[in-house]
Amino acid sequence: NAGVTQTPKFQVLKTGQSMTLQCAQDMNHNSMYWYRQDPGMGLRLIYYSASEGTTDKGEVPNGYNVSRLNKREFSLRLESAAPSQTSVYFCASSESGSSGNTIYFGEGSWLTVV
Amino acid sequence: SQELEQSPQSLIVQEGKNLTINCTSSKTLYGLYWYKQKYGEGLIFLMMLQKGGEEKSHEKITAKLDEKKQQSSLHITASQPSHAGIYLCGADRGDSNYQLIWGAGTKLIIKP
Repeated sequence: NAGVTQTPKFQVLKTGQSMTLQCAQDMNHNSMYWYRQDPGMGLRLIYYSASEGTTDKGEVPNGYNVSRLNKREFSLRLESAAPSQTSVYFCASSESGSSGNTIYFGEGSWLTVV
Repeated sequence: SQELEQSPQSLIVQEGKNLTINCTSSKTLYGLYWYKQKYGEGLIFLMMLQKGGEEKSHEKITAKLDEKKQQSSLHITASQPSHAGIYLCGADRGDSNYQLIWGAGTKLIIKP
C-alpha cells in the first residue's frame, strides 16, 4: 500500500541548476499538492492540481513549475535553483480538495541548494 | 505573522505524563486537521475536526475543537516514546477548497 511516493529523497544542487521532483499516488485521488516546509514557518503550498489537466498557484509559486502528467503523477520543477529554495518538499493528495477530506502526504524530499 | 498559532513550540515530557498542544486561529475555521511528523516518514494523519465542540479520540490521543471553532487542543494521555515527533495543525478557513493554512509545529520529546 504505497500511498504517495516522491523521489528523490535527498538532493544537493548548485545554484542555477535545474531539477524535477517526481510524485505519484495510487489512491485514485483527484487533487494533488506540492508543499515546502521551512523551520518555524509550517507548510506552505507551492502549487496544486485540483484535478487531472488543471494546475493552480498556491502561496509561494515563484521559481517553480508543475506538471500534472496524468491522474497519478504530479511533478515539481525548479528551473534555476536558488539557495532560498533549500527546503523539505512534500507532495500530497486528496480525494477532491482539502475541505472535509484527508490529505495524504509523501515522505518528503530534502533539497539543498549551494 | 502566523495565522495559525501553535503552542508550545517544543515540549519535553516525562514518559507516562499527560500533555496538551494547542492550535489557535483568529478567525473561525471550517475544519481543523492534526498530523504527526517523524523524520523520514512524512506527515501522518491523526484526526480531522469540523464541528464546534467536536471531540475525537484515537488510542491515547484526543483532539477537541472549541465551540467557536477557533481553537483546537490535542491531548496525549500517559505519553510513550512512540508519541515523540512534531505535531502539526492545519486549518480550512473556508476561502479555498485546496489551500489549508498550517501551524509551525510543536516538537514533542519524551524523556524515558
